[in-house]
Amino acid sequence: DGGITQSPKYLFRKEGQNVTLSCEQNLNHDAMYWYRQDPGQGLRLIYYSQIVNDFQKGDIAEGYSVSREKKESFPLTVTSAQKNPTAFYLCASSILKGGLWQPQHFGDGTRLSIL
Amino acid sequence: AQTVTQSQPEMSVQEAETVTLSCTYDTSESDYYLFWYKQPPSRQMILVIRQEAYKQQNATENRFSVNFQKAAKSFSLKISDSQLGDAAMYFCAYREETSGSRLTFGEGTQLTVNP
Repeated sequence: DGGITQSPKYLFRKEGQNVTLSCEQNLNHDAMYWYRQDPGQGLRLIYYSQIVNDFQKGDIAEGYSVSREKKESFPLTVTSAQKNPTAFYLCASSILKGGLWQPQHFGDGTRLSIL
Repeated sequence: AQTVTQSQPEMSVQEAETVTLSCTYDTSESDYYLFWYKQPPSRQMILVIRQEAYKQQNATENRFSVNFQKAAKSFSLKISDSQLGDAAMYFCAYREETSGSRLTFGEGTQLTVNP
């Protein structure tokens, strides 16, 4: 079945450590996105990429980095500069059809916690 | 920047009854899309319904319908014949067509369905 796979499901980070969250899609979607969700809050956009080797900052990009070397993969690195990384992270993807972006599909998320 | 506001942090409904969730947004654009996403306890984001701003007719998907008031910048979701499986966090989201595919989410409304 086609879909979006996020791994790991749970991730723990020590202070001062960088960690990378994986997001892979086999939907042949053009665009991929990373969102952060804090308890009781909506999703906030971290980074997004609409084509390979190109990406744009979202609303809360500080302390995060991404790459888009392959169409199906969009890993997110949470760097030590992100002072409050504990959150639920969601990856999404979308396809461009007939000049219109289709609704985003989401992965199951990764919960990141600080040790 | 566009903003999306959901003024009801929590709502409850009796099984088989109807409930309406509110959403307002702020934009100066005329071409955009609006969405309602559902997030059950599993944390997966599921598209419920979408509305194109240029369409005057309100979108409907089975028991789910919207009341789109473009001049008032209001986009409410009506759930008819509520079922226990409708219990979830509901997010309203906005997408501006001139700025690509990125979504802006509201804070969410937690819906409880009472048996």
